[in-house]
Amino acid sequence: DAMVIQNPRYQVTQFGKPVTLSCSQTLNHNVMYWYQQKSSQAPKLLFHYYDKDFNNEADTPDNFQSRRPNTSFCFLDIRSPGLGDTAMYLCATRGWGADTQYFGPGTRLTVL
Amino acid sequence: AQTVTQSQPEMSVQEAETVTLSCTYDTSESDYYLFWYKQPPSRQMILVIRQEAYKQQNATENRFSVNFQKAAKSFSLKISDSQLGDAAMYFCAPSAYGGATNKLIFGTGTLLAVQP
Repeated sequence: DAMVIQNPRYQVTQFGKPVTLSCSQTLNHNVMYWYQQKSSQAPKLLFHYYDKDFNNEADTPDNFQSRRPNTSFCFLDIRSPGLGDTAMYLCATRGWGADTQYFGPGTRLTVL
Repeated sequence: AQTVTQSQPEMSVQEAETVTLSCTYDTSESDYYLFWYKQPPSRQMILVIRQEAYKQQNATENRFSVNFQKAAKSFSLKISDSQLGDAAMYFCAPSAYGGATNKLIFGTGTLLAVQP
């Protein structure tokens, strides 16, 4: 089945140690999103790609970066994770002209 | 900026009964979509139902239906014949129509428990 895949599902890292989260999709959607969801909170959009065009939300910390080498893959890089970055990170995709976002299973990141 | 209010942090329903989750929002957009997503304990966000704001007819998907009141900016979700598998966090999320972003603005969620 076509889907949105996130790896790893669980990631533990140390304070200040860079970490990369991966998202891939077989839907051939041209829009990809990264959301951060802290415990008991709603997801919050960090940034999105429309094709190769990168769009950062105004309040996304500089510590968070993203790469999209091709249509299928998108990466979230956290350069120097802090304890406050412990959260679930959700990737979502949307097709051109469509309105619905499809989510991956998420990566649960713990910063120690 | 859009704001979304889900006034019921937690709800409980008996299996086979009906429950309604409320959602109000504020938007300056004239055209937009509205979504309900559920997030079970496995944490994958799953689309439940969508509504196009320009359509007056309320959307229905099997046991799930919405009551969309555009003037009141209200978008409630009704779950009929509740099942144990419906237990999850439910998020209401409007999205601007068109454009490159179609950003979802999530409410704070309603945690639904289904009692056997």
